[in-house]
Amino acid sequence: GQQLNQSPQSMFIQEGEDVSMNCTSSSIFNTWLWYKQDPGEGPVLLIALYKAGELTSNGRLTAQFGITRKDSFLNISASIPSDVGIYFCAGLPVYNQGGKLIFGQGTELSVKP
Amino acid sequence: DTAVSQTPKYLVTQMGNDKSIKCEQNLGHDTMYWYKQDSKKFLKIMFSYNNKELIINETVPNRFSPKSPDKAHLNLHINSLELGDSAVYFCASSQGSRTRGYGYTFGSGTRLTVV
Repeated sequence: GQQLNQSPQSMFIQEGEDVSMNCTSSSIFNTWLWYKQDPGEGPVLLIALYKAGELTSNGRLTAQFGITRKDSFLNISASIPSDVGIYFCAGLPVYNQGGKLIFGQGTELSVKP
Repeated sequence: DTAVSQTPKYLVTQMGNDKSIKCEQNLGHDTMYWYKQDSKKFLKIMFSYNNKELIINETVPNRFSPKSPDKAHLNLHINSLELGDSAVYFCASSQGSRTRGYGYTFGSGTRLTVV
């Protein structure tokens, strides 16, 4: 089936540093979503992107829908300890089946105070 | 007010038992899903229902049977539990369109441990 390649798999950073993660696909997507999962909880939607080239911010988070429609990135500026968690990209392929989102493998973020 | 609630939060059971996980959403969404998250945190869709109708059934053993009595509820029944069924199961719902995408709202998960 379709897959999203998300990288890096894990990151260990110092508080205050900026973070960047990305997702790529071999096929075209018409929606990209970024989720965060805290321990013991379900993923929570951070940012949704619907148009190629779209750049959207949510506080210290910024995400972009790649111009080729095959990739997306998420940046976190000035990281803080509560940014710890697993970040997932998710996409809706152009020829999607009933709203079935495809998820990346996740990026586990650790922030050292 | 919990948007997507699933019960129980934790479930420990022996091999061979039958168990159910319940999910309810109060968002008025028309589509509900079950996802399985394995030990490597990968999220894999199992089922999707739209207005009580099954629309996605990924290659899941037929020991797993979803049931949607109405569009606000999607339950998951598992027969003859096996060790490999141990995982976190997430319920989710969405109300989307082809152009605006399908931003899911997830429940907080049910951690199933089969011993």
